Amino acid sequence: AQTVTQSQPEMSVQEAETVTLSCTYDTSESDYYLFWYKQPPSRQMILVIRQEAYKQQNATENRFSVNFQKAAKSFSLKISDSQLGDAAMYFCAYRPLQGAQKLVFGQGTRLTINP
Amino acid sequence: DTGVSQDPRHKITKRGQNVTFRCDPISEHNRLYWYRQTLGQGPEFLTYFQNEAQLEKSRLLSDRFSAERPKGSFSTLEIQRTEQGDSAMYLCASSLVDRPYEQYFGPGTRLTVT
Repeated sequence: AQTVTQSQPEMSVQEAETVTLSCTYDTSESDYYLFWYKQPPSRQMILVIRQEAYKQQNATENRFSVNFQKAAKSFSLKISDSQLGDAAMYFCAYRPLQGAQKLVFGQGTRLTINP
Repeated sequence: DTGVSQDPRHKITKRGQNVTFRCDPISEHNRLYWYRQTLGQGPEFLTYFQNEAQLEKSRLLSDRFSAERPKGSFSTLEIQRTEQGDSAMYLCASSLVDRPYEQYFGPGTRLTVT
């Protein structure tokens, strides 16, 4: 079974600084998607960034970028120029390319932005 | 595009009562998913529909849980004989068949069983 592990329950960063959230996963599949979702307090979960495992190039969305290490099964999220609005729970998630349609989530990392 | 909506947003019920939640997906999204999120944890998959067909159910979905999507539009999730362990946030998400990697989530229904 696929599993996703986020080993940092909480992280904090100064506003305008850079922070990296860690995620590791376990799968026997060769083709899959990895995601980072953001869940602000009392608000709905939104997709931050997506990575296709068959793409070697790391995905980037504005201030958000990932470091995808397929052999190490590692998928970290880097947030540059942190803003107060970035404060949220961040979840790493996995989905195989074929077959099961469900997302498998990690336990989450609570990110605090210090002004 | 009004997004995924869920009703009610909060539900408090007594143990043993039945509850029903509703999810309205983004229009034209033919896939609809239910997840459960307990405090401090990531969401866990419960079930998903493609149009009106329920194609996958998790082992988490005990026989007290039933989900329907009768006309391939909105969906309901019913929990019978609620237990305190059912207290959680119930999340709904939707996607297009040809873009299943883009699941859009609703705000969730927070259930408290007393």
